[in-house]
Amino acid sequence: RKEVEQDPGPFNVPEGATVAFNCTYSNSASQSFFWYRQDCRKEPKLLMSVYSSGNEDGRFTAQLNRASQYISLLIRDSKLSDSATYLCVKGGSQGNLIFGKGTKLSVKP
Amino acid sequence: DTGVSQNPRHKITKRGQNVTFRCDPISEHNRLYWYRQTLGQGPEFLTYFQNEAQLEKSRLLSDRFSAERPKGSFSTLEIQRTEQGDSAMYLCASIPSGGIGNTIYFGEGSWLTVV
Repeated sequence: RKEVEQDPGPFNVPEGATVAFNCTYSNSASQSFFWYRQDCRKEPKLLMSVYSSGNEDGRFTAQLNRASQYISLLIRDSKLSDSATYLCVKGGSQGNLIFGKGTKLSVKP
Repeated sequence: DTGVSQNPRHKITKRGQNVTFRCDPISEHNRLYWYRQTLGQGPEFLTYFQNEAQLEKSRLLSDRFSAERPKGSFSTLEIQRTEQGDSAMYLCASIPSGGIGNTIYFGEGSWLTVV
């Protein structure tokens, strides 16, 4: 079993829609969790950190449920520019990052 | 531009040839990571340096792969006797001492195509 599992999608949504991505992880020793965004043929970029108390940044909300080993990302009022692959990430023991496969989002006009 | 530089950005090579990628991290970052990303997958951890010491290697790093970081500055990743399955984007990332995932900086990646 992969340490971080995500639905690969694709998620095809109209502009303005609300979309939610989920991710599960194993090895609960991890203390840090993140969502990264990756555009086609580009490097991944940090979108936001994820905390048990929830984390909101504009239209984006991330949540961590340690009991269920579950991470979520909610995007409200989606824009065309949100089209990308969203990577669920947990911190490894050596400071490295362990990535999920990514969930592809396509926002249509 | 994150300050992490990778060269070459693209490389096409024939199967069986050797290739070398270089990464120049942010100068004050003492930790450096290499990842590989194939189509439809997230980046997969290959190896990690703290200064010049290679502290961890993934099982993905076969005997054909070798990485170095002389003097704790730039790093090289060499792939010997390339195979078609080596075609991927190779990402380098650096992080300052004590940093965590929200302080990691990725380079733009080096694309390898083995034909």
